[in-house]
Amino acid sequence: AQTVTQSQPEMSVQEAETVTLSCTYDTSENNYYLFWYKQPPSRQMILVIRQEAYKQQNATENRFSVNFQKAAKSFSLKISDSQLGDTAMYFCAFTEGSQGNLIFGKGTKLSVKP
Amino acid sequence: EAGVAQSPRYKIIEKRQSVAFWCNPISGHATLYWYQQILGQGPKLLIQFQNNGVVDDSQLPKDRFSAERLKGVDSTLKIQPAKLEDSAVYLCASSFGTGGSPGNQPQHFGDGTRLSIL
Repeated sequence: AQTVTQSQPEMSVQEAETVTLSCTYDTSENNYYLFWYKQPPSRQMILVIRQEAYKQQNATENRFSVNFQKAAKSFSLKISDSQLGDTAMYFCAFTEGSQGNLIFGKGTKLSVKP
Repeated sequence: EAGVAQSPRYKIIEKRQSVAFWCNPISGHATLYWYQQILGQGPKLLIQFQNNGVVDDSQLPKDRFSAERLKGVDSTLKIQPAKLEDSAVYLCASSFGTGGSPGNQPQHFGDGTRLSIL
């Protein structure tokens, strides 16, 4: 069974600094996708960044980037120049290419301090 | 474009009562998902529809939960009778994918319904 593990229940970072959130996953599939979602107190899940497993190049979206290590089954999220609005729960998620349903980790609560 | 719409936003009921949640996906999105998010955990898939057909309902407690998407657009999730452990946020999501590699299609989420069972 596929699983997603986020080992950091909570993290904090000073505004304008950089923080890295960890995620590992387990699968025997070769075709899959990885995601980071942000969930602020409003509850809506917002897609932050997405990585296709067949692509070696790490995905980047403005201040957000990932370090995808396929052999190690690791998928960490780096947030640069942290902003107060980045305060939220961050969920790492996995989906097999042929299915679509997301398998989520338990989340990391990130607090950005002024 | 309008996002995924869900209602109600909050619901409080007593155990053994019934409750229903409604979701209207983004226009043109063929795939619709219902997730259950218990406090302190990540969302867990309950059921996945593609158009009006069920793709995956393996984690849906079918003795008490039911869901339908009759015309392939909006969907209703029902719990009858509710148990204390059903207290959670129920999230609806939709994606454009109609087949092939649905995992390639990003999912767009609604604001969810927070259900509290007394």
